[in-house]
Amino acid sequence: SYELTQPPSVSVSPGHTASITCSGDKLGDKYACWYQQRPGQSPVLVIYQDDKRPSGIPERFSGSNSGNTATLTISGTQAMDEADYYCQAWDSSTVVFGGGTKLTVL
Amino acid sequence: EVQLVESGGGLLQPGGSLRLSCAASGFTFSIYWMHWVRQVPGKGLVWVSRINQDGSDTTYADSVKGRFTISRDNAKNTLYLQMNSLRAEDTAVYYCAREGIEAIGAGLDYWGQGTLVTVSS
Repeated sequence: SYELTQPPSVSVSPGHTASITCSGDKLGDKYACWYQQRPGQSPVLVIYQDDKRPSGIPERFSGSNSGNTATLTISGTQAMDEADYYCQAWDSSTVVFGGGTKLTVL
Repeated sequence: EVQLVESGGGLLQPGGSLRLSCAASGFTFSIYWMHWVRQVPGKGLVWVSRINQDGSDTTYADSVKGRFTISRDNAKNTLYLQMNSLRAEDTAVYYCAREGIEAIGAGLDYWGQGTLVTVSS
């Protein structure tokens, strides 16, 4: 089965840029999505089709996907961005999630 | 406003059965693929199942295949997950989620608040 690998944790200082990676075999040949999940809340889609932002998602969130790695970039990170982030891809007709990355803003 | 409201969770013994419901509102339910995703508290998201617009096409994760059945009633704007032969490892918060309307590469653009299923003796 297809697997997506994320770092367990990433730290960033407020106002700086955070990058969260997601690795999978030939991931660049698939579309990647990203979700934010704050404690006690349901996931929120922040990036779809590699680099598109849903309505209401701030411009500081961006995505890219090439080769074996998809990347979520948060520019000018704010305290409110502290959350768990999950990547997701499609493998045939099934959905695959990465293990999640805890973003700490300190 | 798009809303997805899950219900039906609870505590039950191994081997038992349960049916989860997800009431949808604020959008044309019948034109969207729908999903179930679960999450053990404190752990990551795990995809469970997917169903197409009219219920004729369903897909399952290997871990639930043969035990869980996804279905929908478009007249009632409701998604279901029938869970049989439940195991302790099925304990999780179960979310229903809507798949975006894009043909390819869509994400799950709306999620419910989740319903907790606990399987324990």
